[in-house]
Amino acid sequence: GAGVSQSPSNKVTEKGKDVELRCDPISGHTALYWYRQSLGQGLEFLIYFQGNSAPDKSGLPSDRFSAERTGGSVSTLTIQRTQQEDSAVYLCASSPGTPYTGELFFGEGSRLTVL
Amino acid sequence: AQRVTQPEKLLSVFKGAPVELKCNYSYSGSPELFWYVQYSRQRLQLLLRHISRESIKGFTADLNKGETSFHLKKPFAQEEDSAMYYCALIYDYQLIWGAGTKLIIKP
Repeated sequence: GAGVSQSPSNKVTEKGKDVELRCDPISGHTALYWYRQSLGQGLEFLIYFQGNSAPDKSGLPSDRFSAERTGGSVSTLTIQRTQQEDSAVYLCASSPGTPYTGELFFGEGSRLTVL
Repeated sequence: AQRVTQPEKLLSVFKGAPVELKCNYSYSGSPELFWYVQYSRQRLQLLLRHISRESIKGFTADLNKGETSFHLKKPFAQEEDSAMYYCALIYDYQLIWGAGTKLIIKP
């Protein structure tokens, strides 16, 4: 595809359930980022991938959050035992990689609502 | 520590009036700064970067190292400028983001 693709675009789940969010970056982009966007909170960094490796997981809020990337392409963010405070828009972004230029290409986001 | 501050959560101006969205940063090295924009129901996208010294959609931003600022300006606001604006600073392999300013242009 021409841009970063995320699915699902909307997810409503019950507290305690697990959810998986998917990101398909621009072909050839080696760097991939997950962010959480909450109203009035800006962008909260979650995790960074370079290829399939995640050298920086420092933003993951708790051990209920995990992410993986396979084939240097698709990434999945998994949230286990969801809580109401997990409700937010989860954004994925990719960039060509090093040297880092600061230009990120974002997906449209996955809006998660935990009831 | 690296930090980006956007002091205004909301800025509302009339169409045709000048706009200035404020951004201040804290960084010990030579900063590289960006403005990103998110229009309603659209994805977040790069608006401009200070290195390019370009004007995009009538917006400009000048890096002021003395004041550690990178304010975004437009002389005459248009209704289509209504959006969420984020200032960001490169740090290592990622961007440090401000909290964002919601700009509303009133007709």
